[in-house]
Amino acid sequence: DTAVSQTPKYLVTQMGNDKSIKCEQNLGHDTMYWYKQDSKKFLKIMFSYNNKELIINETVPNRFSPKSPDKAHLNLHINSLELGDSAVYFCASSQGLYTLYNEQFFGPGTRLTVL
Amino acid sequence: TQLLEQSPQFLSIQEGENLTVYCNSSSVFSSLQWYRQEPGEGPVLLVTVVTGGEVKKLKRLTFQFGDARKDSSLHITAAQPGDTGLYLCADIYNTDKLIFGTGTRLQVFP
Repeated sequence: DTAVSQTPKYLVTQMGNDKSIKCEQNLGHDTMYWYKQDSKKFLKIMFSYNNKELIINETVPNRFSPKSPDKAHLNLHINSLELGDSAVYFCASSQGLYTLYNEQFFGPGTRLTVL
Repeated sequence: TQLLEQSPQFLSIQEGENLTVYCNSSSVFSSLQWYRQEPGEGPVLLVTVVTGGEVKKLKRLTFQFGDARKDSSLHITAAQPGDTGLYLCADIYNTDKLIFGTGTRLQVFP
């Protein structure tokens, strides 16, 4: 029944490691997003994909690479993890690209801690 | 760069009290959304307002959009513990991107 799911829920790793976070939606939506929420709860868009095509790339370091193997999945790979990458990462999806007409549904988040 | 400031940053109240939280933008909103995020969960959309002066009600929640479309408020009547969460306003920038505010953390005690 889960609409937008993310794995893992928690991720603890050492600085310099490479890690991936997976996201899947079963809503049949065409658009998917990655957001980062910092320790002060500030939520910021990172990427969006529409029909597997990159639409928004919000000046994120190129250590972050999203990959969309199909419309239902948008994974986030992070290379050479840094302390400042510690945050909660949210995946979201919407039916279409235009947010005014297409509600975004968020996943439960992945809490990444870099030691 | 647009800045969305929300106030207060934190709010702790007793069940049954009324409260108002505010969202102010450094520039005119395109359209505004309000979200609630419960601990350990992602944000959930509460409402979208588009027209200056617009008022929308969702049960005990009343949303107002300022006439000049640079501010908005969320009023909760008779708050309940289930209202506890992080309230976020967001501008729909350039039709496809959400710019979120700084958030208000609300705690309602029984």
